[in-house]
Amino acid sequence: KNEVEQSPQNLTAQEGEFITINCSYSVGISALHWLQQHPGGGIVSLFMLSSGKKKHGRLIATINIQEKHSSLHITASHPRDSAVYICAAIQGAQKLVFGQGTRLTINP
Amino acid sequence: DVKVTQSSRYLVKRTGEKVFLECVQDMDHENMFWYRQDPGLGLRLIYFSYDVKMKEKGDIPEGYSVSREKKERFSLILESASTNQTSMYLCASSPTGRGDTQYFGPGTRLTVL
Repeated sequence: KNEVEQSPQNLTAQEGEFITINCSYSVGISALHWLQQHPGGGIVSLFMLSSGKKKHGRLIATINIQEKHSSLHITASHPRDSAVYICAAIQGAQKLVFGQGTRLTINP
Repeated sequence: DVKVTQSSRYLVKRTGEKVFLECVQDMDHENMFWYRQDPGLGLRLIYFSYDVKMKEKGDIPEGYSVSREKKERFSLILESASTNQTSMYLCASSPTGRGDTQYFGPGTRLTVL
């Protein structure tokens, strides 16, 4: 069993739908990253959070440390949101453990 | 804007060849990382460096070595490439610890025949 599990692995939705991607982890962490990877490989860091909620435009990330669970939400989804979304758990100051990624496809 | 560049987007090599993958960052970051990404396995850390000439093994260092002679440049070396090293290789840098935001390069897709 992976230390960081994402669900679903693949998600297809229509433009405008509300999207939720989940990340559960089985280890103690100091914080968690959400990353976005577009076709072609480039990875961008979306959020780093250690408690509560962060919002950037249409993206919202939440984390519940007690339940060892984080979610990434996309409101009013758009085809340009199509990408692979990766969560990465930060253990202490040194170890970064990645989930396997969720492939999101938004159809027009 | 932080910029992390990698020497090649696509590379094809033969088994047994020595392969160099170069990564350069322009933001004076202390930390640099090399990952490989494989379907179903996600991103895995090969090596990282927290200072010039300093390096630490990641989760899968076997078959790889690294070099960091200058702060801005971090090289990944495959001494004798093998087919199981066919993968996407991603370089990243960050200003402080591994927990800080990492900035990724565009990736190099390496095929070993």
